[in-house]
Amino acid sequence: EVQLVESGGGLVQPGGSLRLSCAASGFTFSSYWMSWVRQAPGKGLEWVANIKQDGSEKYYVDSVKGRFTISRDNAKNSLYLQMNSLRAEDTAVYYCARVGAVTPTIDYWGQGTLVTVSS
Amino acid sequence: ETTLTQSPAFMSATPGDKVNISCKASQDIDDDMNWYQQKPGEAAIFIIQEATTLVPGISPRFSGSGYGTDFTLTINNIESEDAAYYFCLQHDNFPLTYTFGQGTKLEIK
Repeated sequence: EVQLVESGGGLVQPGGSLRLSCAASGFTFSSYWMSWVRQAPGKGLEWVANIKQDGSEKYYVDSVKGRFTISRDNAKNSLYLQMNSLRAEDTAVYYCARVGAVTPTIDYWGQGTLVTVSS
Repeated sequence: ETTLTQSPAFMSATPGDKVNISCKASQDIDDDMNWYQQKPGEAAIFIIQEATTLVPGISPRFSGSGYGTDFTLTINNIESEDAAYYFCLQHDNFPLTYTFGQGTKLEIK
């Protein structure tokens, strides 16, 4: 059974940093692109970042470029999101997601971890 | 960049009803439309892929239709367990990015 479990969320002050983690199990992690997606309170979902199987390609939504870094450790079956210079508008539930192997759409999601940026 | 306009934002249904949720793309996306169900505190579930294909293990009460710019998720014979948030998703390949519809909250009376 595919499982994606996020951790690392919490309350952080504006300008601060936080590192999210996603523990993957039930599939060959190193064979899949992975993504981070977020949902701000009362808003729709927003794609944040993608990373290729070997980490050689990474893509970000414009609003987080230069502040967030997606990374992975295939030996630990883990995905990460380093978030720096956090702003109030980054407040959201952050979801880890797997990209399908046949068509590049998202096929599995985690339950999410809440990040609150507030003073 | 493609935008997706999903409607309605909220709907209420009675058990046994048939409901339709719409997702309109700002440009032709062929059959690149996917639908998901999300319940509070749970991981989202993939229910329809490539506009019309039911994901294995999903109830056949769910179906998808459409091509190009207009897409519909249909739920037949609504049950109380269908109360959830539904959203559509499409991707662009180069680079790989994703766009979401604004979501629909379905309430069962």
